Amino acid sequence: DQQVKQNSPSLSVQEGRISILNCDYTNSMFDYFLWYKKYPAEGPTFLISISSIKDKNEDGRFTVFLNKSAKHLSLHIVPSQPGDSAVYFCAAPGANNLFFGTGTRLTVIP
Amino acid sequence: DSGVTQTPKHLITATGQRVTLRCSPRSGDLSVYWYQQSLDQGLQFLIQYYNGEERAKGNILERFSAQQFPDLHSELNLSSLELGDSALYFCASSVGREGVSEQYFGPGTRLTVT
Repeated sequence: DQQVKQNSPSLSVQEGRISILNCDYTNSMFDYFLWYKKYPAEGPTFLISISSIKDKNEDGRFTVFLNKSAKHLSLHIVPSQPGDSAVYFCAAPGANNLFFGTGTRLTVIP
Repeated sequence: DSGVTQTPKHLITATGQRVTLRCSPRSGDLSVYWYQQSLDQGLQFLIQYYNGEERAKGNILERFSAQQFPDLHSELNLSSLELGDSALYFCASSVGREGVSEQYFGPGTRLTVT
């Protein structure tokens, strides 16, 4: 049972434009969410997080939005850069581990 | 560089064989987690160790086992390998026992079973 879902396996965006990556979850008990970025041949690296007491968290070019009623979060990257090309995973903590989505491969076209 | 190391980077073996994957956590981290990422899948949690003790189990097969040693490095043992065990295996570490707020991942071991 996939508790965290990323329904778009891939996304292509022009350099300088906005990238929007989406994530849905089913477990209403989740109260914290994380985004990880993964380059080829590397492990995932933490990017940004959000607590359920907020609906927005911003860090430079990266902003995560949380809509608790819809059980939906999104990661916005503005402006997108070629170096942002990677696989992005959203994740939510369970009691002892992280539940990961299947990832979205972002390609930023120069 | 996350500070988490994993060896080997790549492993090719035959069905029925047994392999051992190794992970060294970041300095100071007491928790080690193992995840499996199969093709087009998200990372699936396998098992967590905290300071040498098994803390939590996820979707880990009985053919798989793990341990954490006194120096805190961990090994994941996979036996009676099947073709479907081909995957990326990631190790992650965190400071605490309830280690879910932020985990640091190693580069992974790519296992190919032929």
